[in-house]
This record gives sequence, structure tokens and C-alpha cells, in this order.
Amino acid sequence: QVQLVQSGAEVKKPGASVKVSCTTSGYTFTSHGFSWVRQAPGQGLEWMGWISGHSGNTKYAKKFQDRVTMTTDTSTSTAHMELRSLRSDDTAVYYCVSQGSGYYDPNSWLDPWGQGTLVTVSS
Amino acid sequence: DIVMTQSPDSLAVSLGERATINCKSSQSVLYRSNNKNYLAWYQQKPGQPPRLLIYWASTRESGVPDRFSGSGSGTDFTLTISSLQAEDVAVYSCQQYYSTPLTFGQGTRVEIK
Repeated sequence: QVQLVQSGAEVKKPGASVKVSCTTSGYTFTSHGFSWVRQAPGQGLEWMGWISGHSGNTKYAKKFQDRVTMTTDTSTSTAHMELRSLRSDDTAVYYCVSQGSGYYDPNSWLDPWGQGTLVTVSS
Repeated sequence: DIVMTQSPDSLAVSLGERATINCKSSQSVLYRSNNKNYLAWYQQKPGQPPRLLIYWASTRESGVPDRFSGSGSGTDFTLTISSLQAEDVAVYSCQQYYSTPLTFGQGTRVEIK
């Protein structure tokens, strides 16, 4: 059974950085790509970017490309997302999601999803 | 960026009745070379991550009840719940994967009347 298990909730001050981890099991990590999607309280879903589990290639949404870094560690089948220069409007649940169709590009449906990590940015 | 717009924002339907949710994209998500629509539907219940229901606009994910169906092509798509059950109360969102950034509709809340 495929599982994506994310790291726990974080509370950060404005200007700080946060790194969220996503450890996968039940399939071959390097055969998949991973997107990061966030959801602010009461809001819709927002795609932040993608990383290939095979090559480490990344594609970031323009909105985040100056502040986000996505990495993988194939030895532990883990994907990481670091967001820097946090602001109060970065308060959201951050999801790690596997791409539905392979590792080569981000253009696919998203499944399965991690359980989500709540990041709260507050002074 | 492709903008996805859903209608209505919320919907109240009696148990056993049909629920219909619409999703419109600001440009076509039909890829002519393979004749596939790059459109997915998700269900999200409170406190849970989204669950994939439909991909390629009309292909039901394994394990999804057959009362859920997707249709449409190009820029206009529909998710239909043929006979609403109590466990279908949720927010439903469409997503295009034709181009990056991947984008989602704002969500449609489905409730019991």
C-alpha cells in the first residue's frame, strides 16, 4: 500500500524558514514525481511546484520560485520542501502528493496525498 | 496560467438525488495529439487531504463508486453524483494538468438538503 507520511506541524516567526519532509513507502520512489500543494485556512488548493524522484529535476510555480527549494533523498525515499522568508499569509496546510503518471514531468493528476503538515506563521 | 472556475460554489441536494458540478477552464485542456483532456476531480472531507476521483476527465479512479462520473471536453467539464449519499458531503475540486502551474478550481461544497 502506497503511503506518504509527512513531518509534524510547525510554528514559525515571520522571516524564518520551514522544511517539510515527506517519506514514502509501498512503491519505488525513483519511479515517481512529487508535487507540493498548499491550502490556506478555508481556501482552495494551490500548486507550489514539482520534483522528479528519478532525476531531481524541479519545476516551481513563479509565485514561489524565489523562496522555495524542493529536494529528494533517494536513500530514505523522502522528499523535502523548504520555504524561506515566511509571511503570515504562508499559514497553510502543506501537502506532498505523488504524481499519477510517472517521474518525467509534473503534468498529471495527483494521487496519493500525504496527510498534510500545518505550518503556522505568527509573531 | 489556466484559470479554473467552478459553479456553483455550493449545492444542497436531497439524499438519492443527482448532484452536478461544473468546471470551466480559461483555455482548452484537450491535447490534440492523444485526444485526452488533462482534467481531474477531487473530493475533500473536513480535516482530510483531497482524494482523487476522476482523471482524464472521465476515467474513474480504482475504488471510486460508480455513482461518480465525469464528462466534458475542451473547456467545459462536469462531475455528476448520480444518487447522493450521506458520505458524499464534501468539497469537490477540479484540476487541470495540461500545463504548469497546475491549477485548481475554487471548490464546490456539496451538502444534504
